[in-house]
Amino acid sequence: NAGVTQTPKFQVLKTGQSMTLQCAQDMNHEYMSWYRQDPGMGLRLIHYSVGAGITDQGEVPNGYNVSRSTTEDFPLRLLSAAPSQTSVYFCASSLKRGVETQYFGPGTRLLVL
Amino acid sequence: AQSVAQPEDQVNVAEGNPLTVKCTYSVSGNPYLFWYVQYPNRGLQFLLKYITGDNLVKGSYGFEAEFNKSQTSFHLKKPSALVSDSALYFCAVTRGGGATNKLIFGTGTLLAVQP
Repeated sequence: NAGVTQTPKFQVLKTGQSMTLQCAQDMNHEYMSWYRQDPGMGLRLIHYSVGAGITDQGEVPNGYNVSRSTTEDFPLRLLSAAPSQTSVYFCASSLKRGVETQYFGPGTRLLVL
Repeated sequence: AQSVAQPEDQVNVAEGNPLTVKCTYSVSGNPYLFWYVQYPNRGLQFLLKYITGDNLVKGSYGFEAEFNKSQTSFHLKKPSALVSDSALYFCAVTRGGGATNKLIFGTGTLLAVQP
């Protein structure tokens, strides 16, 4: 199993540009989530999904959209990038809700100029 | 609302000495508590979790954590530190019985083990 994969590893955007961060898992996990990691702030939940076709907002959803058309994929879209979205983004998945351990991808480092 | 605090930004320890990384939490109901580790330029890796039962939880790489309900703490410990343990450690909490798997993470503690 490849586990949780994320692409790209690094991206530079200009303010106002849009892009999609890709996340895929091959473990047949129901639950997937996106976090951003900023210095001194830990990880903050952006959006999550409890299954295909079902998504919901986390702590910091503004400026981001998600969709879950398949169990495997959970892309994160930035519609109009802002410098405040400069961060490291992690995708995670777990078998189902509740107490299951989350498995994290390697991260995408995003710089918005 | 649930929250987790890691009061130390950095912990320094000499190789071979015991280490403790502190974590306190606030949650209504029964807490589910986790420790994750992040090595440079990598994603987070699961270390251990407390759901119920024995207050002393053993995890990967020789780490253990003790759940203390009265002090609302879940400190991470290891009897003998290795240089390779140097990394960023995150404590996380979620509310037991919740319908979602939303974890709240602490701000992280950088563990530096000197040879």
